[in-house]
Amino acid sequence: NAGVTQTPKFQVLKTGQSMTLQCAQDMNHNSMYWYRQDPGMGLRLIYYSASEGTTDKGEVPNGYNVSRLNKREFSLRLESAAPSQTSVYFCASSEAGTLNTGELFFGEGSRLTVL
Amino acid sequence: GNSVTQMEGPVTLSEEAFLTINCTYTATGYPSLFWYVQYPGEGLQLLLKATKADDKGSNKGFEATYRKETTSFHLEKGSVQVSDSAVYFCALKDGGYQKVTFGTGTKLQVIP
Repeated sequence: NAGVTQTPKFQVLKTGQSMTLQCAQDMNHNSMYWYRQDPGMGLRLIYYSASEGTTDKGEVPNGYNVSRLNKREFSLRLESAAPSQTSVYFCASSEAGTLNTGELFFGEGSRLTVL
Repeated sequence: GNSVTQMEGPVTLSEEAFLTINCTYTATGYPSLFWYVQYPGEGLQLLLKATKADDKGSNKGFEATYRKETTSFHLEKGSVQVSDSAVYFCALKDGGYQKVTFGTGTKLQVIP
């Protein structure tokens, strides 16, 4: 019973490098999210996808792009990493529409360090 | 816009002490309220929730009551254990919106 799976769990990048964080869920959820977690700032929403084929910006989308590849997978891409993007990234999923009670199911996180 | 304010930590308690973590919110509609817990090295997981005023959410000995008049959702536990050491996040979902808004988290450390 995997739930939400993120890869990689740890990554170190140099400024200007690019990378993609992968996320997959096996709960047949329609909605998926990417959050970043920084000390003293809690979780901030980067992008979300209410359903397959749609994506929308959250609070802090600058410097990121996303792709909702299919219903299961939602990736986050850093095109040119900056030190300010050093953070722990969490993918989450939930039901959508009238089934959306607000409960999110989270992956274990990806710790990214940009030097 | 929506926002959640919770007490800053860290909170350090001795085992079997009483716990309160304060949470207040601002929302335009009638939100659902949540407490999530994050154990070290893990993602967040739902601890409890309440969907309307005066509802009480409870789980694992933790409780929180949805107080519309004070826009609060304080987390309480009568007797904490070392295993409760974690970061606790208050959150809300405003009915018509897809997004969940989180507070900044409160770290709880319980010492034997």
